[in-house]
Amino acid sequence: DIQMTQSPSSLSASVGDRVTITCQASEDIANYLNWFQQQPGKAPKLLIYDASNLETGVPSRFSGGGSGTDFTFTISSLQPEDIATYYCQQYDYVPLTFGGGTKVEIK
Amino acid sequence: QVHLVQSGAEVKKPGASVKVSCKASGYTFIANYIHWVRQAPGQGLEWLAWINPKNGGTKSAQKFQDRVTTTGDTSVNIVYLELSSLRSDDTAVYFCARGGRIGEYSGRRLDYWGQGTPVTVSS
Repeated sequence: DIQMTQSPSSLSASVGDRVTITCQASEDIANYLNWFQQQPGKAPKLLIYDASNLETGVPSRFSGGGSGTDFTFTISSLQPEDIATYYCQQYDYVPLTFGGGTKVEIK
Repeated sequence: QVHLVQSGAEVKKPGASVKVSCKASGYTFIANYIHWVRQAPGQGLEWLAWINPKNGGTKSAQKFQDRVTTTGDTSVNIVYLELSSLRSDDTAVYFCARGGRIGEYSGRRLDYWGQGTPVTVSS
């Protein structure tokens, strides 16, 4: 199975800060990567697909990049409503696998 | 608009089976894969299986292969997940999610999710 290593596991930042999360795949997955946001008690919400494509309706402060084994997810200016846990997920291979999650909090 | 509506919470005893449903609406049911993902309390996301509603083809994680059955009914636009031989560590919220278009990568763009079905396994 492809292992997805996400870091950090948690972070605390101020409103307006730039926040970056990394995700490393154990094998080359090209750009076959999604990023999700999950707020407590809710289903995950797709933010980014194909590593860098912004899902329709998602604010432009969210972005993704990378290919192969190394990927990044960035919130350019953290907002209070961005408090959530973020997950990467690869879909190049079955089983689909998720990163362990990054919990984002406001400082 | 696209909706995935799941069946309600379940409480089961160890060794029993559970069947969760996911009713899709707002799009062409046979055009996209449907996935099942679960989340144990306080834990991350874990993929279980997908189904191709067009031809009934399925794929599941090796870990669940002996215990998971995914089926679909195109007459009512519903997919089902059945998990057998339940154990306490199967206690989780089970989600269905719409995946990629048939013919594309199945796991691409899981863009719509059900509300989740809590399953509790306890004696």
